[in-house]
Amino acid sequence: NAGVTQTPKFQVLKTGQSMTLQCAQDMNHNSMYWYRQDPGMGLRLIYYSASEGTTDKGEVPNGYNVSRLNKREFSLRLESAAPSQTSVYFCASSEVRGFAAGSPLHFGNGTRLTVT
Amino acid sequence: QKEVEQDPGPLSVPEGAIVSLNCTYSNSAFQYFMWYRQYSRKGPELLMYTYSSGNKEDGRFTAQVDKSSKYISLFIRDSQPSDSATYLCAISGGYNKLIFGAGTRLAVHP
Repeated sequence: NAGVTQTPKFQVLKTGQSMTLQCAQDMNHNSMYWYRQDPGMGLRLIYYSASEGTTDKGEVPNGYNVSRLNKREFSLRLESAAPSQTSVYFCASSEVRGFAAGSPLHFGNGTRLTVT
Repeated sequence: QKEVEQDPGPLSVPEGAIVSLNCTYSNSAFQYFMWYRQYSRKGPELLMYTYSSGNKEDGRFTAQVDKSSKYISLFIRDSQPSDSATYLCAISGGYNKLIFGAGTRLAVHP
C-alpha cells in the first residue's frame, strides 16, 4: 500500500519554464491538497480539491494551477516558474470531503523544487 | 500576528529526557488540535489528535490542550534518538481551514 505518491522527487527549473507535479493516492480518499513548505513558514495551502471535479484556492494560489484528473490523481502546474517558487511541495489526501472536523491528512514525501 | 505560533528550536536533549513542545494560537474558535511528526526528507505524519481541552495519552506521547490560554503542548517521555524529527502543530476550527505551525526541530542525542 503506497499511500500518497509524488513525482518527481527533485526538480531544477530555470525562471520562466513550466512543469507539472504529479500526485496519486491509493486510499480511495475524497479530498486532496497541495502545500508548500518553506523554512520558518510552516506548511501553506496552495490549492485543494474536496471531491472529484472540484478545486478551490488556498492561502497561496498565485502562480499555480491544479487539475483533479480523477479520484486518485491531483496535479499542480507551474506555468512560468519564478525563484520565489523554490520550495518543497507536498501533496496530501484525507478521507472526508474538505477540512471537516480536523480530519487527518496523509502526506506524500514531497518534491524539492529549485528555480534558478 | 500569526494565527499559530511555534518556536522553531532547534531543541537538543539527551536520550531519556522529557521533552515539551508547544504552540500558541489566537482564535478561540479553534477546536481540533493535531501534532504531526516529520522526519528529514519525508512528509509529515499524524502523531496525535485531540478535540477541545484536556489531555490525551498514547504510549510515551501526551497531547495537552488549554483552551483558556490558547496553548497546546506535546510531551515526549523517555525520549529516544528515533524521536529526532520536526514536530508540527496543526489546528482547525469550524471553518474550512487547517493551520500549521512552523515546526520545532528536535534532536535527541544518545
